[in-house]
Amino acid sequence: DSGVTQTPKHLITATGQRVTLRCSPRSGDLSVYWYQQSLDQGLQFLIQYYNGEERAKGNILERFSAQQFPDLHSELNLSSLELGDSALYFCASSRSGLQETQYFGPGTRLLVL
Amino acid sequence: QQQVKQSPQSLIVQKGGISIINCAYENTAFDYFPWYQQFPGKGPALLIAIRPDVSEKKEGRFTISFNKSAKQFSLHIMDSQPGDSATYFCAASENNAGNMLTFGGGTRLMVKP
Repeated sequence: DSGVTQTPKHLITATGQRVTLRCSPRSGDLSVYWYQQSLDQGLQFLIQYYNGEERAKGNILERFSAQQFPDLHSELNLSSLELGDSALYFCASSRSGLQETQYFGPGTRLLVL
Repeated sequence: QQQVKQSPQSLIVQKGGISIINCAYENTAFDYFPWYQQFPGKGPALLIAIRPDVSEKKEGRFTISFNKSAKQFSLHIMDSQPGDSATYFCAASENNAGNMLTFGGGTRLMVKP
């Protein structure tokens, strides 16, 4: 168990809908990362937050947004969902947000029908 | 653009054998190279990591070899065990980009008893 929790574990929704994925980092970790894992794109970095501020941005679609709250938990919002958004979404956390071990959560499996 | 290329995509090794997974990168600014191990239904977990100031790092049965001039690095698993059966990802990050990881495509390793 990495200490990172993600909810929900599974999510089934329809195209055009909006969903929110939630992540709680390990105790003491200030940085949160979001990754998307799909069969065709592999494991891709989406966005990183450090202590509430956006630190780095990857290939995140404009339909997707994220934020990190004062209690350090993070939410990833996916809107206007398309079939191709079906994937595993991982949250990871680390202590300082610099080059160090990232601890991954168990993921949220999103299925868009 | 795939900045980290990983091979092979899949690998079958007999118990006790050596598993070798290779990665090549393009971005010369990368200066941190971790390997992650992922079991089915779980998030990736850090296995071992190396920085370019050393050519080799060993932790137990796992060794990373790093060739800076060739922009290549590899993971060697000695005395491979059935419990090592998992998907392995190489990754890379650059110091001035936070802790954003660029992952290779993954290698599915099966160790036969």
